[in-house]
Amino acid sequence: SQQGEEDPQALSIQEGENATMNCSYKTSINNLQWYRQNSGRGLVHLILIRSNEREKHSGRLRVTLDTSKKSSSLLITASRAADTASYFCATDGETSGSRLTFGEGTQLTVNP
Amino acid sequence: GAGVSQSPSNKVTEKGKDVELRCDPISGHTALYWYRQSLGQGLEFLIYFQGNSAPDKSGLPSDRFSAERTGGSVSTLTIQRTQQEDSAVYLCASSFRASPTDTQYFGPGTRLTVL
Repeated sequence: SQQGEEDPQALSIQEGENATMNCSYKTSINNLQWYRQNSGRGLVHLILIRSNEREKHSGRLRVTLDTSKKSSSLLITASRAADTASYFCATDGETSGSRLTFGEGTQLTVNP
Repeated sequence: GAGVSQSPSNKVTEKGKDVELRCDPISGHTALYWYRQSLGQGLEFLIYFQGNSAPDKSGLPSDRFSAERTGGSVSTLTIQRTQQEDSAVYLCASSFRASPTDTQYFGPGTRLTVL
């Protein structure tokens, strides 16, 4: 079963606006990652945050992690049309070994 | 190679036929993962390899699914007696080590359609 659940399922914004996507999970994790997928094909790794970290930045991306609420958020600032894609969170935990458990994803559309 | 490659990119088959999907990982990557993605859904873990061994096969949905990896490189996912519910995009990824903190690099996927 899918551990991660993203919301919203779909998000449509204008270029230049910020986009925030959320991910919730059920069991304890070691790490949480965010991936991006264009056109239903291969995924691209964006950022990893460890369970002992609360916030991480990479360029226009900002990820937060709240282990007490079992949730994470991905913020994309100053969005561009090229950011249009599906975004997935993925978690790994003490019992999952190397396998990642992906959420259902958020479809982001950035309108020019 | 420069990236993970998968073949074929698309496969249409009839119910009951067997199919083989191939994955060529990034050279030097010891870990290889197979996932399945149904339309509009997230990724479902199937199996991963460390070298030629598969420590975790727990995601394979039935005994019609099998996978092997030879020479620590190419992997083949075989689906026997395909069913319509097997229709999905099958994604392969590789990483330097079988560690969740090692970035997984994904191939473009094989879109399987079972008629």
